[in-house]
Amino acid sequence: QSVLTQAPSASGTPGQRVTISCSGSTSNIAGNAVSWYQQFPGTAPKLLIYSNNQRPSGVPDRFSGSKSGTSASLAISGLQSEFEADYYCATWDDSLNALVFGGGTKLTVL
Amino acid sequence: QVQLQESGPRLVKPSQTLSLTCTVSRGSISSGDYYWTWVRQPAGRGLEWIGRVYTNGGTNYNPAFKGRLTVSLDTSKNQFSLQLKSVTAADSAVYYCARERGYDPTPLEYSYYLDVWGRGTTVTVSS
Repeated sequence: QSVLTQAPSASGTPGQRVTISCSGSTSNIAGNAVSWYQQFPGTAPKLLIYSNNQRPSGVPDRFSGSKSGTSASLAISGLQSEFEADYYCATWDDSLNALVFGGGTKLTVL
Repeated sequence: QVQLQESGPRLVKPSQTLSLTCTVSRGSISSGDYYWTWVRQPAGRGLEWIGRVYTNGGTNYNPAFKGRLTVSLDTSKNQFSLQLKSVTAADSAVYYCARERGYDPTPLEYSYYLDVWGRGTTVTVSS
């Protein structure tokens, strides 16, 4: 059972905009920034978004992040088949004194 | 760009100690405001943060591992390591080392994130 809650799956058609949500609590998302990671099968995760809405160099602007209260979202616009991957949110938890992850969302492009 | 590479035994017997090392290249492990972190992922499952060591040697551990875990720094070798005692089959996973950064983007919140990852190494606990 993950501390942060994500839907196990999401899907969309090419060109569509998809949103992946991450739900937490007052001990984590409410007071700390959220990061997002993209992971393809058999490879290491890659940082996609940090500090709620900042993109590292090289990440296209079709990926965007936001946070409100105890929830955060990752939006992917102009969906492409190459975006099929698992997406994880993460943030610091002040009660656990640890970084916590969501369970991950598997994105399928139909 | 700094690179990380995990190394260590791929097979560990139950009740023994799992030991992994992460070698940092193209950068110094003792410079900058970074944490050096271990994350694991059991087969077919999600990511789990294990613990981290700061450049001054200070550590934070996931409470789920407390009592079994040691993460330490070896600045002379530009490496950091993980030791997990009394392992069981549930500790079988892909283990990643990563660089973690932390700062306060606003006065009201802090941001920790993992910006550089190793490729991961698969560890199986079995007799």
